[in-house]
Formats: sequence, structure tokens, C-alpha cells
Amino acid sequence: GQQVMQIPQYQHVQEGEDFTTYCNSSTTLSNIQWYKQRPGGHPVFLIQLVKSGEVKKQKRLTFQFGEAKKNSSLHITATQTTDVGTYFCAGRDSSYKLIFGSGTRLLVRP
Amino acid sequence: KAGVTQTPRYLIKTRGQQVTLSCSPISGHRSVSWYQQTPGQGLQFLFEYFSETQRNKGNFPGRFSGRQFSNSRSEMNVSTLELGDSALYLCASSQPGTVRNTGELFFGEGSRLTVL
Repeated sequence: GQQVMQIPQYQHVQEGEDFTTYCNSSTTLSNIQWYKQRPGGHPVFLIQLVKSGEVKKQKRLTFQFGEAKKNSSLHITATQTTDVGTYFCAGRDSSYKLIFGSGTRLLVRP
Repeated sequence: KAGVTQTPRYLIKTRGQQVTLSCSPISGHRSVSWYQQTPGQGLQFLFEYFSETQRNKGNFPGRFSGRQFSNSRSEMNVSTLELGDSALYLCASSQPGTVRNTGELFFGEGSRLTVL
């Protein structure tokens, strides 16, 4: 079945540094979604990318969808302590199940 | 607008018992998905229901089952509990308009199950 791999597993940065997490699928995705889960909380939807090569920005967050629609990335510029949490990508497989990546846990040193 | 409500929030069971978890989706949402979250395995897809029909199923044993009612509320049941079933069970609702469910998921707070 489809697999969605995400790296790195953990990232510990100094406040103000940039952060990037990468997501790779074994198959072509119809779209990809990104979620953030704060410690002790539940995943919260951030964004959805649909088109090949699509780039979307939300303030300090930049999301990209690869040309082949098999990979994606989330980049955070100048991290803040409020960015702490686990970031998940999620892609729909051929039967439209939403499969989540393993997540990247971001820790930010103040 | 009320969010996704899951009950109970916390529960402790012993091996061999069974458990039923409940999920009330956001009003108007007809699709409900269930995920199991554990520290080592991340978010694993259990099943998805739409209009009382199971539309998709993950790779879990038959001990895991679910259903959806006409008011879109959903329940999942785990029978003959094992220690490895200890996890956070998350329910999410969405508002798909077509078979190709591309809607964003709205998650509940989850039901944390501990099996002793």
C-alpha cells in the first residue's frame, strides 16, 4: 500500500532559526495536506496543496508540492516558541484514504 | 459551531475486555474517520464512514470495528483488548461533496485508552 515518509523525525532549533520538514510518498498523490499537533492536543489542519509544483505561504510558513506530486515540504522561517509541535503531512492514496506521514516533532529553544 | 466531540476522553480497561468509543462530528459533516495514534506508529488509519457506509478500512484486525448512524454520529469498538491497543483514538469529520473526499479533517480531542 501507499507509504508516506517524513523526515526528520525530530528537529531542535534555536528560536529565530529556520526549519524544514520533508514528506515523500511511494505513489503519486492527488493532493497533500499538512497538519500541526501541539503537545497534548489534536491535529489541526494547516493547508492543502493540489497542483503540481504548487507553492503556498501562510505568514512564516511556506508549503511546496513537488512537480511529480510525490513529495512536499514545509518550511518555517525564523521559528518562534509558538511553532512547537509535531507537523504531519497527509496524502490520499488511490482509494482516497488519507494516509499520514510519521510526523516531524519541532522543539524550539527560546 | 461545535467541534468534533469524542467520549469518553480517558478510559482504562484490562486485557480481554471490549471498549466502545463515540464520536459526534461537526454539524453537517457526513464523513467520519478514525485514527489510532501511538508514539511509535504515528497516526494510523482505522476506517472512514460516509452516510452510514464504511467507505475505507485500514490494516487493523477484525477486533476493530465501527459504524455510523443516520445522524452521522459514529462509534468504534475494540473487542478482546490487548496491551498494544493502548493509544489515543482520534475521530475526525469532514464535509466531502464527492466520492473523492478531498476535504480537510477536523479532529476531536481523542479518547485515550489504556489497557492493563
